[in-house]
Amino acid sequence: ETGVTQTPRHLVMGMTNKKSLKCEQHLGHNAMYWYKQSAKKPLELMFVYNFKEQTENNSVPSRFSPECPNSSHLFLHLHTLQPEDSALYLCASSDPTTSAYNEQFFGPGTRLTVL
Amino acid sequence: DQQVKQNSPSLSVQEGRISILNCDYTNSMFDYFLWYKKYPAEGPTFLISISSIKDKNEDGRFTVFLNKSAKHLSLHIVPSQPGDSAVYFCAARDMNRDDKIIFGKGTRLHILP
Repeated sequence: ETGVTQTPRHLVMGMTNKKSLKCEQHLGHNAMYWYKQSAKKPLELMFVYNFKEQTENNSVPSRFSPECPNSSHLFLHLHTLQPEDSALYLCASSDPTTSAYNEQFFGPGTRLTVL
Repeated sequence: DQQVKQNSPSLSVQEGRISILNCDYTNSMFDYFLWYKKYPAEGPTFLISISSIKDKNEDGRFTVFLNKSAKHLSLHIVPSQPGDSAVYFCAARDMNRDDKIIFGKGTRLHILP
């Protein structure tokens, strides 16, 4: 596997379910990100992890819980979501220490539908 | 408050002509600007960037222009090709946060045959 992978690619869940999104990067990067893309909205940054430490929580509701066990893996744990949380969730990685403009490499995303 | 604005949700251009995608920003602390391209069912991919100390950067068919006084940048694609049909995101980096990028809403580009 190369680049940034995300599983699952599609997820349908009820409001009382608990599920997790997984992201893995094979690029040797030290920063990883979760973004949310809703229709007609900008890509919304949710969380940033830099060297496994969370450096950004962009006022994300607690029903979204990130986990970064090592610099290659990032999880987003989902619990009691709302229908308005339905969106495309994108993971990205980068190396801010070597890339002057912090070019980010994105995974294909997980299309989440909350019923 | 949107710091990076792409006011045109979509744009249609004839194949072979020039495509111009525009982006405005409000934060004077942005030091790098990036353009990403996104196809359906794929994540965005990096296209081209420009530093705030430059006013132009060219890479093949793609050129980005930066007007700092107007807080405006544009992406020119010439000649436009069918494979250029995608959503284009403008993004910017805050010089105080090297690990954070702010994205615009995106502009959907349709290249017409």
